[in-house]
Amino acid sequence: NAGVTQTPKFQVLKTGQSMTLQCAQDMNHEYMSWYRQDPGMGLRLIHYSVGAGITDQGEVPNGYNVSRSTTEDFPLRLLSAAPSQTSVYFCASSLRGTSTDTQYFGPGTRLTVL
Amino acid sequence: TQLLEQSPQFLSIQEGENLTVYCNSSSVFSSLQWYRQEPGEGPVLLVTVVTGGEVKKLKRLTFQFGDARKDSSLHITAAQPGDTGLYLCAGAPSYNQGGKLIFGQGTELSVKP
Repeated sequence: NAGVTQTPKFQVLKTGQSMTLQCAQDMNHEYMSWYRQDPGMGLRLIHYSVGAGITDQGEVPNGYNVSRSTTEDFPLRLLSAAPSQTSVYFCASSLRGTSTDTQYFGPGTRLTVL
Repeated sequence: TQLLEQSPQFLSIQEGENLTVYCNSSSVFSSLQWYRQEPGEGPVLLVTVVTGGEVKKLKRLTFQFGDARKDSSLHITAAQPGDTGLYLCAGAPSYNQGGKLIFGQGTELSVKP
């Protein structure tokens, strides 16, 4: 099993550009989520999905869109990048998203918006 | 909004010393997890505690969940350079819907040989 994979590893964008961060898992997990990590702020939930076709907003959803057409994939779209979106982005998955499930994190995407 | 306050934010110690990291909230959590993160990688789960007062041990690491399920601590005995990393606590709110986790700010631990 590859676990949770994310691409790209690094990305530099100009303000106003759009892009999609890719996330895939091969563990047949129902629950997938996106976090951003900023210095001194831990991880903050952007969007999450409890299964294919179902998504919902987390703590900091503005400026980001998601969709979940398959169990395996959960892409994160930045519609019009802003410098405030400079961060490290982590995708995570767990079996069902219960309070005791283990969350498996991808290696992260480091995004810089100029 | 539920918050998890983690302290200290930075900790630099010598090999062999003991240390404790704290994770506190005014809210009740149905479970609390501790993760460790290495530079350039995603967090990796160390332990999950569920019951108030629960204590779990993982080699030299001891995790405790407060009786009221509002706080937790991580104690490392005889720290080693290999323990260096970012330690994160994460709580599942008692109203938990959709697997949401609330993360603390993290503790950056550096253990010098």
